[in-house]
Amino acid sequence: GENVEQHPSTLSVQEGDSAVIKCTYSDSASNYFPWYKQELGKGPQLIIDIRSNVGEKKDQRIAVTLNKTAKHFSLHITETQPEDSAVYFCAASNRQAGTALIFGKGTTLSVSS
Amino acid sequence: GAVVSQHPSWVICKSGTSVKIECRSLDFQATTMFWYRQFPKQSLMLMATSNEGSKATYEQGVEKDKFLINHASLTLSTLTVTSAHPEDSSFYICSASPSSGAYEQYFGPGTRLTVT
Repeated sequence: GENVEQHPSTLSVQEGDSAVIKCTYSDSASNYFPWYKQELGKGPQLIIDIRSNVGEKKDQRIAVTLNKTAKHFSLHITETQPEDSAVYFCAASNRQAGTALIFGKGTTLSVSS
Repeated sequence: GAVVSQHPSWVICKSGTSVKIECRSLDFQATTMFWYRQFPKQSLMLMATSNEGSKATYEQGVEKDKFLINHASLTLSTLTVTSAHPEDSSFYICSASPSSGAYEQYFGPGTRLTVT
């Protein structure tokens, strides 16, 4: 089955700096890679996703890159703000096969002002 | 759009009792729903995949007789924790994917279960 590794487990940055979180996956059949933000006591919120036929996707301050050959994908947050502080999870699945998302262990991002 | 709700948001029950958690897709139909469990400061662990009108598929190590899943309609799936014990205390989160075939998976706000 799919296995997703996520690094780092914690990340502290100054407001305005960039933050990068990296994930690797094991199943070459996976074709969907979303990123979720989770605040304490709440469910995960989808912030950006990418499909296997795309190498990069950007939405304002957030971008995701995918390297299918190396089986890794990354989340990039620019101009970080204190409200970006949360736990971020990457995930992978084979959506064409209808499989569930398998999550990485999460990264706790702290943005200090 | 794409809202998933859960009820209750939190529940406290006594050891040995059963608790039912509801998961609803409010503005879309979902052939498939997923149930996850999350312990404090840990990731989401898939428990089972719930398909409308058929039996749920459980992940290895998840007791199907303890965690009963019913997906009775295209907008509702329920998880019943039977004979709950303190070790079942956790954050239970459901998710749903639109039946239209969209790739996105939307999560509910979660249910905090505490077994005393």
